[in-house]
Amino acid sequence: NAGVTQTPKFQVLKTGQSMTLQCAQDMNHEYMSWYRQDPGMGLRLIHYSVGAGITDQGEVPNGYNVSRSTTEDFPLRLLSAAPSQTSVYFCASSYGEGLGYTFGSGTRLTVV
Amino acid sequence: EDKVVQSPLSLVVHEGDTVTLNCSYEVTNFRSLLWYKQEKKAPTFLFMLTSSGIEKKSGRLSSILDKKELFSILNITATQTGDSAVYLCAVNSWGKLQFGAGTQVVVTP
Repeated sequence: NAGVTQTPKFQVLKTGQSMTLQCAQDMNHEYMSWYRQDPGMGLRLIHYSVGAGITDQGEVPNGYNVSRSTTEDFPLRLLSAAPSQTSVYFCASSYGEGLGYTFGSGTRLTVV
Repeated sequence: EDKVVQSPLSLVVHEGDTVTLNCSYEVTNFRSLLWYKQEKKAPTFLFMLTSSGIEKKSGRLSSILDKKELFSILNITATQTGDSAVYLCAVNSWGKLQFGAGTQVVVTP
């Protein structure tokens, strides 16, 4: 039981490049979310999903895209990287509404 | 607009002191309030609170929720240097977590 697995752990991108942050969980959790964490701002929700085939926007969705084709995987796509997207990204999953979330170890992304 | 506010933003205490962290919230469709500890990596789960007035305890940590006044407190007694971390409060609403900015706690020897 690996929990929530994020890859890569570190990434440097040039402005305008695109990439996908991977997130996978093996706990059969229906709910999955992506957060970004910036200094002094806590964690902010980017996108979330309540089950395969269902996604919705969070607080800061611009510049990011998601899909949920399986229960296990919830990739986050950066369409055209900008320096403002430099951040630490966390993926998290939960059994359901009202329950606690388990977090992945994070991806530190730098856009130059 | 939904919001979660933590106070203080930071504090420095000596080993053995007691710390009280505050979290107030205004959200629609409240489901639960969660506390996490973060030490330069992923947040780790501490408590989930759903009912008013029922204290949750884990060792030297305890937490309680007041759904009437819309706040929660996290207490850490007999602090140790290993308690140094950012403590995050989050409210689960519509299946999503909304976080406060966190409280940075530094415990000095």
